[in-house]
Amino acid sequence: NAGVMQNPRHLVRRRGQEARLRCSPMKGHSHVYWYRQLPEEGLKFMVYLQKENIIDESGMPKERFSAEFPKEGPSILRIQQVVRGDSAAYFCASSLLQESSNQPQHFGDGTRLSIL
Amino acid sequence: AQSVTQLDSQVPVFEEAPVELRCNYSSSVSVYLFWYVQYPNQGLQLLLKYLSGSTLVKGINGFEAEFNKSQTSFHLRKPSVHISDTAEYFCAVTPRGYQKVTFGTGTKLQVIP
Repeated sequence: NAGVMQNPRHLVRRRGQEARLRCSPMKGHSHVYWYRQLPEEGLKFMVYLQKENIIDESGMPKERFSAEFPKEGPSILRIQQVVRGDSAAYFCASSLLQESSNQPQHFGDGTRLSIL
Repeated sequence: AQSVTQLDSQVPVFEEAPVELRCNYSSSVSVYLFWYVQYPNQGLQLLLKYLSGSTLVKGINGFEAEFNKSQTSFHLRKPSVHISDTAEYFCAVTPRGYQKVTFGTGTKLQVIP
């Protein structure tokens, strides 16, 4: 399966711990996007990355959240000192080219984060 | 900035009946339009997209959508639904030339046997 791979599928953390969510894009895709889906809401854009670059982080909370997409390895969304309000489904998507925005984004199955 | 409105949060429909899921958008620039489907505990799967050309777009699973520029709408339709169509459907837009996608809040389609 050459689709977008996210792990873990489910993650449970206690308040104050760190959460690390991983995303491996589709083969050949160099653009990665992270979205958050709260219950009964649509997906909200968080951040757009290319290899080793953050292109647009306008949807990222100012504190505790960070994202990276290193030259080698998966993209990581990190949430420090998690709080109950961070409980959500986090989706990663990847695409082939940014210049052609008609290329649809391909989504992973998400990581369901639960904060105790 | 773009915004997407899906007025119907839930749509119940009997099996084999037709369905229309409504989507309206606003944008100050030209956009591409998409419909995605989300099955429980899964990610989003692309149903169809409108880029240019014919305003009637056909997608997978028998779905189609019509782009209406004057009404800024992109409603999704299927002439006869199946139980397996039960899922949540998201309308989305992206400005041409940039891939920041704005999603609607979703419509849950419940197909009743």
